Amino acid sequence: DQQVKQNSPSLSVQEGRISILNCDYTNSMFDYFLWYKKYPAEGPTFLISISSIKDKNEDGRFTVFLNKSAKHLSLHIVPSQPGDSAVYFCAASVTDSWGKLQFGAGTQVVVTP
Amino acid sequence: DGGITQSPKYLFRKEGQNVTLSCEQNLNHDAMYWYRQDPGQGLRLIYYSQIVNDFQKGDIAEGYSVSREKKESFPLTVTSAQKNPTAFYLCASSKVMTAPRVYNQPQHFGDGTRLSIL
Repeated sequence: DQQVKQNSPSLSVQEGRISILNCDYTNSMFDYFLWYKKYPAEGPTFLISISSIKDKNEDGRFTVFLNKSAKHLSLHIVPSQPGDSAVYFCAASVTDSWGKLQFGAGTQVVVTP
Repeated sequence: DGGITQSPKYLFRKEGQNVTLSCEQNLNHDAMYWYRQDPGQGLRLIYYSQIVNDFQKGDIAEGYSVSREKKESFPLTVTSAQKNPTAFYLCASSKVMTAPRVYNQPQHFGDGTRLSIL
């Protein structure tokens, strides 16, 4: 039973525009959420995280929004750059669960000139 | 330069063979993890370890075994009991904070090992 879902397998966006990636979860116990970026044949790289006590966290071009009532989070990338072309994974965990992460299936982002 | 090293990058296994994937980290992290990624799917947790000489099963531990004899090392053995071993295997590590509550910092990943069956 998949507890973290990324329903859009792919997203194409023009360079300079905003990329919006979405993620839904079903387990109301999740209280820590992360986004990872992955290039082919490499390991995922941590991008940004958010605790359930917040509804927004920003780091440079990346902003994560959390809507606990809807069990939904999103990642905004502004402006999108060619180097942002990668697969983005949403992950969630429960504090005190020894860091066990549940991952979504990923969204492939392609940034076009 | 600190990081996580996985070796080999590519590995081939014959039917009925056990193979061991190496994972070493020099980040001084207490926790280490093994994940499996299949095409079009997210990462699934195989095993994890919070301290030396202790490890726990993840969501898909059947057919795998691990050891944690040193803080820096967390090798994964794919046994012949794993009927569908072809996948991309990722090792990760993280710090563990214990106050005010136990929680883990974000995980750092190695570059993976791709295992295929001959």
